[in-house]
Amino acid sequence: GEDVEQSLFLSVREGDSSVINCTYTDSSSTYLYWYKQEPGAGLQLLTYIFSNMDMKQDQRLTVLLNKKDKHLSLRIADTQTGDSAIYFCAERIDYKLSFGAGTTVTVRA
Amino acid sequence: NAGVTQTPKFQVLKTGQSMTLQCAQDMNHNSMYWYRQDPGMGLRLIYYSASEGTTDKGEVPNGYNVSRLNKREFSLRLESAAPSQTSVYFCESGLAGVDGETQYFGPGTRLLVL
Repeated sequence: GEDVEQSLFLSVREGDSSVINCTYTDSSSTYLYWYKQEPGAGLQLLTYIFSNMDMKQDQRLTVLLNKKDKHLSLRIADTQTGDSAIYFCAERIDYKLSFGAGTTVTVRA
Repeated sequence: NAGVTQTPKFQVLKTGQSMTLQCAQDMNHNSMYWYRQDPGMGLRLIYYSASEGTTDKGEVPNGYNVSRLNKREFSLRLESAAPSQTSVYFCESGLAGVDGETQYFGPGTRLLVL
């Protein structure tokens, strides 16, 4: 929705790192999430971070959270062609998830 | 364990027709959700159900009704379809705000209203 914003497109060379950025507005968010959506498929939860954490690493994925600036980022190390997809960030407030519009990541050889 | 299943996968309706989108999960989750996804936008919450027998409106509930008759199934009904309801509909199930990482989405239902 309107409360979560992302850049629309990112092009990255295979083997480089990708960084996808997201800003949110509600400081009462409990969890923040990153999802991956491949063409014609549903969303796949990639990783999440609790709002009292600054960083979370999970294999090739690193999530950074700056609560002061309400900024969330997802870094994908050693980006592969299979990482081409739309990536959504979302914040949870109570039971509800509020999503950004998605960042389309294109990996070029 | 089939995860989250949705039926149908595709549907074409005429304006004014009704239909029910079905969602089922076999993971014993309390919470289930219906979202719609439109081009260039993130998912928007239509309705959610925190537990069997309870439902609440989300961000865009107008024109929809839901039913959570048991823990496993959560259906979304369009009583009188409108072209503005052309969208891709996703069902999600998870644990209700307790364990934030347990979320599963269905494959989606693609609906075209003429």
